[in-house]
Amino acid sequence: EAQVTQNPRYLITVTGKKLTVTCSQNMNHEYMSWYRQDPGLGLRQIYYSMNVEVTDKGDVPEGYKVSRKEKRNFPLILESPSPNQTSLYFCASSLFGGRENGYTFGSGTRLTVV
Amino acid sequence: RKEVEQDPGPFNVPEGATVAFNCTYSNSASQSFFWYRQDCRKEPKLLMSVYSSGNEDGRFTAQLNRASQYISLLIRDSKLSDSATYLCVASTGTASKLTFGTGTRLQVTL
Repeated sequence: EAQVTQNPRYLITVTGKKLTVTCSQNMNHEYMSWYRQDPGLGLRQIYYSMNVEVTDKGDVPEGYKVSRKEKRNFPLILESPSPNQTSLYFCASSLFGGRENGYTFGSGTRLTVV
Repeated sequence: RKEVEQDPGPFNVPEGATVAFNCTYSNSASQSFFWYRQDCRKEPKLLMSVYSSGNEDGRFTAQLNRASQYISLLIRDSKLSDSATYLCVASTGTASKLTFGTGTRLQVTL
């Protein structure tokens, strides 16, 4: 089944403890992206990648890192999480960067930083 | 001003009603447009792309007016299963950066 898989689905962590949210897609998509969704603010792009080893900042990159060493994986790294990073995170992938068929989203990761 | 603006609703309509959602975008460089549907606490799913010529998919019709920077979604014969949040999305640039509206909540009732 064609899909984007994120793990974990739920995570509660403490301030400053490094964490990684994994994202993997099995559709051979070139474009991948991370979003966070907060009430009243909608989905905002954190980072995106157009291909292996090609990444760039989105609208809200502060406090996050990404890497794209393989086409299928695009992990999101929080080196020192803070409470303002408590949010619902979505990974998404697309063959044509969303121009033709939009993005396919993962099921989301609900992160709470205390 | 938000780059993509939508009426947050909620829109409460009876089953069988026709409902229209509107969306405006401020970046004239936006190239592609979409409507996504998001159920509560779930991931967004592509509903349809939006073209200048308009496009229709069953009970759903989307329109784009580039001159007015305005996008619309019409849902005819609403079903209970249409209850969800509808997200208006504009895509910009070579990397097709997606900018989402905050969504319009639809509740279809018996």
